[in-house]
Amino acid sequence: DQQVKQNSPSLSVQEGRISILNCDYTNSMFDYFLWYKKYPAEGPTFLISISSIKDKNEDGRFTVFLNKSAKHLSLHIVPSQPGDSAVYFCAAHTGNNRKLIWGLGTSLAVNP
Amino acid sequence: GAGVSQTPSNKVTEKGKYVELRCDPISGHTALYWYRQSLGQGPEFLIYFQGTGAADDSGLPNDRFFAVRPEGSVSTLKIQRTERGDSAVYLCASSSWPGQGYNEQFFGPGTRLTVL
Repeated sequence: DQQVKQNSPSLSVQEGRISILNCDYTNSMFDYFLWYKKYPAEGPTFLISISSIKDKNEDGRFTVFLNKSAKHLSLHIVPSQPGDSAVYFCAAHTGNNRKLIWGLGTSLAVNP
Repeated sequence: GAGVSQTPSNKVTEKGKYVELRCDPISGHTALYWYRQSLGQGPEFLIYFQGTGAADDSGLPNDRFFAVRPEGSVSTLKIQRTERGDSAVYLCASSSWPGQGYNEQFFGPGTRLTVL
């Protein structure tokens, strides 16, 4: 049973445009959501997070939106750059549980 | 400072053999995690340590898998009688999570295990 779902395996956008990566979840007990970025042959690196009590968090070009009633979050990257090309994972955890539950990832390609 | 390191980066073994995968966490991080990532999948939780003790080993798939962290720093994941289905990238992460807020985990590059 996939508690965190990323239904788009891949996404292609033009440099300078907006990239929107989506994530859905089923467990209403999740308190925190994290986005990680992964390049080939490297471990995932943390990008941005959001608490379940917020609906938006922004850090530079990256903004995460949370719609708790729809159990949906999205990561917006604007403007997109070729160096953003990577696999993006959505992950979540409850407040008192340290383990991260991960989606399958979305491979983003930003074309020059 | 140094990040999380994992050795070896690649391990090829034959079915039925025993393997050990090592993880060196970020200095001072009390929590250490092991995940497994198969092709086309997200990381799958295996076990985490708080200090020397395994606080949650609910993700270990069966008793062929075992992990230790005897001095609260370096950890070793041990797999006995390897099977072809064990082939995956094994990721280690560490964190200094104080128990509040989001749990940012710092990952190593992984060990790619191939069981022939």
